[in-house]
Amino acid sequence: SQQGEEDPQALSIQEGENATMNCSYKTSINNLQWYRQNSGRGLVHLILIRSNEREKHSGRLRVTLDTSKKSSSLLITASRAADTASYFCAHARNRDDKIIFGKGTRLHILP
Amino acid sequence: DAGVIQSPRHEVTEMGQEVTLRCKPISGHNSLFWYRQTMMRGLELLIYFNNNVPIDDSGMPEDRFSAKMPNASFSTLKIQPSEPRDSAVYFCASSFPRVGETQYFGPGTRLLVL
Repeated sequence: SQQGEEDPQALSIQEGENATMNCSYKTSINNLQWYRQNSGRGLVHLILIRSNEREKHSGRLRVTLDTSKKSSSLLITASRAADTASYFCAHARNRDDKIIFGKGTRLHILP
Repeated sequence: DAGVIQSPRHEVTEMGQEVTLRCKPISGHNSLFWYRQTMMRGLELLIYFNNNVPIDDSGMPEDRFSAKMPNASFSTLKIQPSEPRDSAVYFCASSFPRVGETQYFGPGTRLLVL
């Protein structure tokens, strides 16, 4: 299967702490993307990192990519209750190919 | 922009009935994707179109499922006849300019087949 895998499957942390989620994949890629899904909603794109990039930031989000290990991590700093959601990584082998989603990490921020 | 629009948002039907789900992608987007999400199977890609042409329908579960994209601003996913195991949330997403770029998801259609 080409499907990526997130780790852990579920994560509970205290508000204010940092949350780290990891993603692994099996093929060479053009880009890797992270999405958030709040309960009962559609997925929302967070960040896209290309294979020639190693790190990318967006607000409280930091994404790293290690193509030699075929892995990526998403760090959410200073977590908030509103960050409670499922987070999915997805990768594309090339820009003209469909993206493959992982099964997601369920993040729960405790008050 | 209004984003990806899906209708209906909720559908309850009885086994054997035909179900039609509708999607309007973001204006100017040239790729459209249909996904199904369940607790058991997660997010599954059913089919995607590029420039209104179906490119990959390998995820369509069986012949009861069909999808069309008659023009750049409209697509349908039809299930005929529907079965209880089709109960799921169906998402439509669109992207531009290439298939492997950022996807923008609609709010989904929650389907319950009794």
